[in-house]
Amino acid sequence: EDQVTQSPEALRLQEGESSSLNCSYTVSGLRGLFWYRQDPGKGPEFLFTLYSAGEEKEKERLKATLTKKESFLHITAPKPEDSATYLCAVQPYSSASKIIFGSGTRLSIRP
Amino acid sequence: DTAVSQTPKYLVTQMGNDKSIKCEQNLGHDTMYWYKQDSKKFLKIMFSYNNKELIINETVPNRFSPKSPDKAHLNLHINSLELGDSAVYFCASSQDLVTSGGMGNEQFFGPGTRLTVL
Repeated sequence: EDQVTQSPEALRLQEGESSSLNCSYTVSGLRGLFWYRQDPGKGPEFLFTLYSAGEEKEKERLKATLTKKESFLHITAPKPEDSATYLCAVQPYSSASKIIFGSGTRLSIRP
Repeated sequence: DTAVSQTPKYLVTQMGNDKSIKCEQNLGHDTMYWYKQDSKKFLKIMFSYNNKELIINETVPNRFSPKSPDKAHLNLHINSLELGDSAVYFCASSQDLVTSGGMGNEQFFGPGTRLTVL
């Protein structure tokens, strides 16, 4: 069964303290893996798509990496405005346009 | 602004009522979706339409009926509302797999509709 597990559930960091969020997945063939950011009371905002193991993408303080079993979202020198819930999702080859979301990591950055 | 929009943002209603949520996208996408996000923030797909045709229909009660008048709009009608229907409902859109060349096609989400059933 296709599945996405994110850890940790919640993470509190000091401003400037770098860390990584984990997304472990099992799929019957990966069409794409996505990272989203969700702020309270808003819809998920698209960040990255990764297609194959070894691929990396960067945007400001965020870098997403992909292996055959997991993806990491590295956050370097975070600022309070990076506080949000980060969602990982996978799109298996077995399902047309369906994507499966993890339960998210709630990230909180203290000034 | 190019975006996915939903109305209303908040919906408070009594058990047993019928209500609708509207969604529109101006991104030129062919595929649209409805998701439900529960109190634990878990996002679960309900329906998907591609060019007005239903392509994904998860295990959702028959009280929920999507309607796509054209590829830019996907509405959700809910009959006989129950307490357990209280959640945030998100609309999303994406390119279809043909347009994306079979690659993963990221979805773009609306701001959500918070439904509260009393």
